Amino acid sequence: DTAVSQTPKYLVTQMGNDKSIKCEQNLGHDTMYWYKQDSKKFLKIMFSYNNKELIINETVPNRFSPKSPDKAHLNLHINSLELGDSAVYFCASSQSGGRTYEQYFGPGTRLTVT
Amino acid sequence: QKEVEQDPGPLSVPEGAIVSLNCTYSNSAFQYFMWYRQYSRKGPELLMYTYSSGNKEDGRFTAQVDKSSKYISLFIRDSQPSDSATYLCAMSVTANDYKLSFGAGTTVTVRA
Repeated sequence: DTAVSQTPKYLVTQMGNDKSIKCEQNLGHDTMYWYKQDSKKFLKIMFSYNNKELIINETVPNRFSPKSPDKAHLNLHINSLELGDSAVYFCASSQSGGRTYEQYFGPGTRLTVT
Repeated sequence: QKEVEQDPGPLSVPEGAIVSLNCTYSNSAFQYFMWYRQYSRKGPELLMYTYSSGNKEDGRFTAQVDKSSKYISLFIRDSQPSDSATYLCAMSVTANDYKLSFGAGTTVTVRA
């Protein structure tokens, strides 16, 4: 059983297109995250939802819009894709109440914008 | 200056060697110190965490925290090729911080 799953694993698209990435966790956690990892492996948080409420919204272009339909799902929609959006996007989850440092990551979605 | 500094390496060692990884930080309020391991083309996974200062051992892995120097270390004894990965340090002030401060990650290769 995959704890945190993401679809798709790979995404190759052209500049200007709109795309979505989906994430699901079966750990029963109440908090989910989107991270962006660049080619130098630096992991940067983008958004976080706790019980479907947006709690972290870092300085990210408003072309990126997260959506959490329920505690187990977190999606990321990206409008008007740009070359600089090429990266690996990770979804993660954790449980609030004293263990938020223990985050479980999905396998990542490798986005290539041409 | 970044809040957490980590030498990206890469680091290449022979099998059986001791691997030493470290991070420095500037925020003296950090209390929780984590090491995540990320295999190639996989997501990071929590390897160890330490609260406040001191040492913590888990098998071949030892995590050390020196809050007076704002310096943390991870040692891997008797390193194996399966330890080849990128190791990211991460920190937070409380156990309820949703936002972790990550280092850049150090890529380690253990040669057979």
